[in-house]
Amino acid sequence: DIQMTQSPSFLSASVGERVTLSCRASQNINKYLDWYQQKLGEAPKLLIYNTNNLHTGIPSRFSGSGSGTDYTLTISSLQPEDVATYFCLQRNSFTFGSGTKLEIK
Amino acid sequence: EVKLVESGGGLVQPGRSLKLSCAASGFSFNDYWMGWVRQAPGKGLEWIGEINQDSSTINYTPSLKDKFTISRDNAQNTLYLQMSKLGSEDTAIYYCAREWDTYDYWGQGVMVTVSS
Repeated sequence: DIQMTQSPSFLSASVGERVTLSCRASQNINKYLDWYQQKLGEAPKLLIYNTNNLHTGIPSRFSGSGSGTDYTLTISSLQPEDVATYFCLQRNSFTFGSGTKLEIK
Repeated sequence: EVKLVESGGGLVQPGRSLKLSCAASGFSFNDYWMGWVRQAPGKGLEWIGEINQDSSTINYTPSLKDKFTISRDNAQNTLYLQMSKLGSEDTAIYYCAREWDTYDYWGQGVMVTVSS
């Protein structure tokens, strides 16, 4: 089984700050890595697919990068509406990361 | 507009069965793989499984393949999840999702509580 390790598990940042979230796979996942945002009480929402492709309607302040086992989600300028938990998903064998809870400082 | 609406959740006793439904609209249902994902209270997401367009391929996470069965009715634009031998560990919100490269649209989820 491919294990996904997300870090940090909790992050507090200021509005306007650049934020980077990480996901590490236990083996090469060939860029089959997606990022989801889940706000409290809501279903997950797709942000980025296949490492760096922005889903329809997602603001351009969100971006993804990575290869092999290491992947990142970057928010270029944090906004209040970005408060949420962020999950990564590897699609070689469908494992989610444990999530990063992001709040505003 | 893509819409997925789950139903059939609720309180169920341990050891019993339950069948969830997911009604799809706003897209051509029979052109897409579909999947189920669950989330225990306060926990992360767990992939349950997926089904292809004509039900000829169904994949499950290994730990659930003997308990859960995914099916679909393309004439009714509906996805199903049959759950059996339920235990407290199955208490969760269950989401259905459309699969196009990845899970691009999700339902709002339905709560299943397993308790006596």
